[in-house]
Amino acid sequence: AQRVTQPEKLLSVFKGAPVELKCNYSYSGSPELFWYVQYSRQRLQLLLRHISRESIKGFTADLNKGETSFHLKKPFAQEEDSAMYYCALSSGGSNYKLTFGKGTLLTVNP
Amino acid sequence: DAGVTQSPTHLIKTRGQHVTLRCSPISGHKSVSWYQQVLGQGPQFIFQYYEKEERGRGNFPDRFSARQFPNYSSELNVNALLLGDSALYLCASSPIGGGTDTQYFGPGTRLTVL
Repeated sequence: AQRVTQPEKLLSVFKGAPVELKCNYSYSGSPELFWYVQYSRQRLQLLLRHISRESIKGFTADLNKGETSFHLKKPFAQEEDSAMYYCALSSGGSNYKLTFGKGTLLTVNP
Repeated sequence: DAGVTQSPTHLIKTRGQHVTLRCSPISGHKSVSWYQQVLGQGPQFIFQYYEKEERGRGNFPDRFSARQFPNYSSELNVNALLLGDSALYLCASSPIGGGTDTQYFGPGTRLTVL
């Protein structure tokens, strides 16, 4: 069974501080991992995915298969980063199913 | 392109009734997925359709059904509504629905069951 755990429901940091949103997963195969973000009054959208290995809006995430983690990091948080962040896992292949964590609400204070 | 569109935006039903939710994918996308998001939780997978065929189904009762039309739009049907069906229903489209595809989400339909 696939499972995604985001241990922090709420995370509050000050502008300019580093931020790390934690994500752990459980899956027996080789997963595809994603971070989705939902800004206030906007729809859910993809932030980044591990296969791209790219940095979006200053965020990065490294897949650690040994620790089964995919933490999202940014060295200097900005106020516009305030949003709900969801970690998601796909089993890949042709049977596409995203399993989401419960989400972490990030608030960046001025 | 307006992105994924869903209708209606909001819906209020009573227990035992039936509801139909609609989704139009991004032009060119052949796969549509449906998710249920209960307050305080992440989205939960209900169905995926690709080229009008059901490709995947989540852990939902048979009261939930869906279909995809030749123009790739989709409907989600829920029969015999329960209070627990109150949620935000999200539709997502992707080009081919593969495991590495980016899914593009619609704004959702807020269903309230009284």
